[in-house]
Amino acid sequence: EAGVAQSPRYKIIEKRQSVAFWCNPISGHATLYWYQQILGQGPKLLIQFQNNGVVDDSQLPKDRFSAERLKGVDSTLKIQPAKLEDSAVYLCASSPGTLTGQETQYFGPGTRLLVL
Amino acid sequence: GDSVTQMEGPVTLSEEAFLTINCTYTATGYPSLFWYVQYPGEGLQLLLKATKADDKGSNKGFEATYRKETTSFHLEKGSVQVSDSAVYFCALNPTDSWGKFQFGAGTQVVVTP
Repeated sequence: EAGVAQSPRYKIIEKRQSVAFWCNPISGHATLYWYQQILGQGPKLLIQFQNNGVVDDSQLPKDRFSAERLKGVDSTLKIQPAKLEDSAVYLCASSPGTLTGQETQYFGPGTRLLVL
Repeated sequence: GDSVTQMEGPVTLSEEAFLTINCTYTATGYPSLFWYVQYPGEGLQLLLKATKADDKGSNKGFEATYRKETTSFHLEKGSVQVSDSAVYFCALNPTDSWGKFQFGAGTQVVVTP
């Protein structure tokens, strides 16, 4: 079974530029998550989708971050304009979406973003 | 709110030593508890989990027991290898807002030959 795929793996941009990350979850997984992991910290949830609807985006900085999952499969996370403090690893995860607290989340390899 | 606290690293051990990483949590109800491992340059991989009190999760020689009375989920391994060098994250999946995982800050483990 293929895992969660993310691209690109690395990205270097200058501040005020825009950037987009792509995620393809495990086949059949209804729930998709985007996390931000700053160096030396645990992942922080940015947004959670159930199929193509948003379940939680309370920690997404909506003035600069946006995310979509139009067909309930792939997802894109965008930052515009980027700030220096956005330098982090952006992790995508998916889970089956059984709406229980026992679900495991499966993570992709992440995209390392450096904002100069 | 829900939270996870785990011991700070780095934890440096010699090969074949005993490893313990402490993890305690604050949550309402009975969350599911997880340990994930992150190798350099990679995403998080599930190591083990426990979904109810007194459950023991185990995988690859690692074990952790869900202790409701002490709100703890400490990770242990009896004999570590150099290949166990990684960052370990304790996490909970809350019962009242499923999927909204709370992660600890991570504990780096370095195993030397």
